[in-house]
Amino acid sequence: EIVLTQSPGTLSLSPGEGATLSCRASQSVSSSYLAWYQQKPGQAPRLLIYGASSRATGVPDKFSGSGSGTDFTLTINRLEPEDFAVYYCQYYGRPPQSFGQGTKLEIK
Amino acid sequence: EVQLLESGGGLVQPGGSVRLSCAASGITVRSSYMSWIRQAPGKGLEWVALIYSTGNTFYADSVNGRFTISRDTSNNMLILQMNSLRAEDTAVYYCARSVYGGFSDYWGRGALVTVSS
Repeated sequence: EIVLTQSPGTLSLSPGEGATLSCRASQSVSSSYLAWYQQKPGQAPRLLIYGASSRATGVPDKFSGSGSGTDFTLTINRLEPEDFAVYYCQYYGRPPQSFGQGTKLEIK
Repeated sequence: EVQLLESGGGLVQPGGSVRLSCAASGITVRSSYMSWIRQAPGKGLEWVALIYSTGNTFYADSVNGRFTISRDTSNNMLILQMNSLRAEDTAVYYCARSVYGGFSDYWGRGALVTVSS
């Protein structure tokens, strides 16, 4: 099973700043099988990025994904109040699938 | 518009059983890849089970042998039969469509299952 480790656990930033979230896999994964989700309190997760770098329908271009092998990054430009949430990466190749433990992006 | 609506959650005793349903509209469950993903209170997401359009099923080690994912095609529903429940199964259970068995683009609002005596 592929284990995903996200860092940092919590990221404190101010609106207008940029955020960089990391997801490291326990073994090399095809970038085709890495996704990112945003989750706000009391809501279901929302798909942001799939295939490591493809934005899901309706996701603004302030969100971008990159990476390959074992290291992947979600970058969020120009933070707005609605961007403060928990972000998860997911490996979705051959089952079992797995999620990272999440990064909480909070307002500083 | 795709909508997924889970039902069947509630309080159950350890060792008991619960059947979760997910009613789908806007998609055909029979021809879709569908997943169950759970989230314990205050914790992160955990993948639970996946069913391919072919009917092949896959499970997390933590639930293998206790949970069964299936489809009710006549009612366009996804099912999760949960047996031999443990306290650590307490979570919100989300139903989701998984594109080609991969990432999930549509999610339900979740159903809370609480395992406690």
